[in-house]
This record gives sequence, C-alpha cells and structure tokens, in this order.
Amino acid sequence: EAEVAQSPRYKITEKSQAVAFWCDPISGHATLYWYRQILGQGPELLVQFQDESVVDDSQLPKDRFSAERLKGVDSTLKIQPAELGDSAMYLCASSLGQTAGANVLTFGAGSRLTVL
Amino acid sequence: AQKVTQAQTEISVVEKEDVTLDCVYETRDTTYYLFWYKQPPSGELVFLIRRNSFDEQNEISGRYSWNFQKSTSSFNFTITASQVVDSAVYFCALSGAETSGSRLTFGEGTQLTVNP
Repeated sequence: EAEVAQSPRYKITEKSQAVAFWCDPISGHATLYWYRQILGQGPELLVQFQDESVVDDSQLPKDRFSAERLKGVDSTLKIQPAELGDSAMYLCASSLGQTAGANVLTFGAGSRLTVL
Repeated sequence: AQKVTQAQTEISVVEKEDVTLDCVYETRDTTYYLFWYKQPPSGELVFLIRRNSFDEQNEISGRYSWNFQKSTSSFNFTITASQVVDSAVYFCALSGAETSGSRLTFGEGTQLTVNP
C-alpha cells in the first residue's frame, strides 16, 4: 500500500538551532500539506502545495519557518531558529486533488520535534 | 470561520462495550465535508470515513458506524463491541467547500482506551 514517507521520525534540538523535515508524498499526488500537531491538540495546517506552488501558507510563521517543494514531488519544512514552543509533531499529508473535502488526505507517520 | 468540538477528552471502556465519540461542528458553508481519523500511538493519522453535507445517510462499516445529523450539527462515531486494538486518539475534522478552501479543521481529539 502506498504511503507518505517522512524523516526523521524523531528530532531533538536545542533552541536557536536549525532543523529540517523531509516528506515524500504518494506518487502522483499533486497536493502536499504540512500540519503541526501540538501534544494534546488536533493538527493545524501550516502550508499547502499544489505541485510546486504554495496554495495556502497563511498559518505558517514565516519569520522562522520555510517550506519548499522545488520539483513538485518531495518537500522540506525548515525551522530556523527553533524555539521551545515549536516542540510538536510535524505531519505531512498528500492528496490527488486540491480540495481537502473532496479529496482524502493520506498522512505520514510524522516527525516528532523536541526543542530543549 | 469553522470549528469542530470534541467534548470528550478521554474515554475508557472495557473490551466488548459499545462506545460513542461525539463531534459537533460549526460552519457557514452549505457544502462541506466531515471526516473521522484515527491516530494510534505510532502517530500516523488513518482515514476512517468522509461524508458530504448533502448525504445524511448513516453508515456502517463492520463494527464502526456514523450518525450524521445536520439539524444538530453533529457527526458521531460509534464503535460496537470495542477491542483493545481500537485504543487510539480519534479526530473529527471539517472542510468547508466555500469559505475554507482546502483547509481541514480538526477537533481536539478523543483519547479512547479499551481495557481487556
């Protein structure tokens, strides 16, 4: 069964350091999402790509977070510098089409970040 | 704005008991989609079901059933004869086709523990 691949699964870093997460969506899925899930809460959308273009990054803290999907396939989410409040699970998801309601999102296993 | 409320933070049952997880939503859209996802300890969000706002038929899939009532803005999930493997966090989510674009709004989740 096709799956969304993410790495690393776990990352521990000190505040003010840079950290990066990688995601490889299901082959053929044009839409890629990065969600952040703080412990005990539901996931919140950070950024959405349609192919290589950003469709929605309204909730992305752009002073420290950046995301790219250069060739419209895999994607990288970067945080620089990391802050204590960034400790969370970072989930990547992909779907065939652009509209979340009409298209089912398939999620990866996530990357758990701990900032010390 | 759209909102999903899962009032039950934690539920604990004994195996073979039936359990219902509540979900109440708010949206101004007339066309919207509702979802349930399961998040086991491994962290990956697993898709369970999607309903659109024009289809109020209840659905049954094995031990799982869903009750969608537009009159009360609720989309409740029942597990019949629960099993230990059902232990997970369950999320209800909403996507409004008109105002929220592709954004999936998640509830805070319900931690279900099924004890042997």
